[in-house]
Amino acid sequence: EIVLAQSPGTLSLSPGERATLSCRASQSVSSNYFAWYRHKPGQAPRLLIYAASSRATGIPDRFSGSGSGTDFTLTINRLEPEDFAVYYCQQYGYSPVTFGQGTKLEIK
Amino acid sequence: QVQLQESGPGLVKPSQTLSLTCTVSGGSMSSGTYYWNWIRQPAGKGLEWIGRIDTSGSTNYNPSLKSRITISVDTSKNQFSLKLSSVTAADTAMYYCARDNGGSWSPVYFDPWGQGTLVTVSS
Repeated sequence: EIVLAQSPGTLSLSPGERATLSCRASQSVSSNYFAWYRHKPGQAPRLLIYAASSRATGIPDRFSGSGSGTDFTLTINRLEPEDFAVYYCQQYGYSPVTFGQGTKLEIK
Repeated sequence: QVQLQESGPGLVKPSQTLSLTCTVSGGSMSSGTYYWNWIRQPAGKGLEWIGRIDTSGSTNYNPSLKSRITISVDTSKNQFSLKLSSVTAADTAMYYCARDNGGSWSPVYFDPWGQGTLVTVSS
């Protein structure tokens, strides 16, 4: 199965700054079948990005996804208080689908 | 807006069967072409896809868990369920249900998710 490695493990930033989260796959993910989620404690994980760069319904344009092959990035511009959470990447190009270990975005 | 909610015992004894139910509200499970999934996350570890089912009862399971999993659906109650047999402490995790609209061979991305329910395996 494809292993996804997220970096950094923890990212400390201030509101208003830009966050760059990375996810590297153990092999190339076909057709950019790649997604990102935000997970706040006690809440349901929320889909942010699918197909590597398409924003899910209701997701503001502060969130953007990029990348291809084995390296994918989630960028969050102008961090707001609700953005401080754990972020997971996921590949769905190969079965079984797999997730990264998560990046915790915390307030500096 | 479709919402999902997991329910079931929070404590299961080793070697027994873990049973959870996901109730779908805000829309019929049979409306549209969707698959209904179970995903789990052990404490301090990553997310793991368990398996899924559609409203006709067609299933896909993660090969790593396939021998111990049964996922079923009850469209009259707008619910689907997970049974995981012969549990050990390694099955202690937060269990989530989620929807996907992928093809018949494998899930795609998941949207929406339930809030999750914690299941502890301990005697």
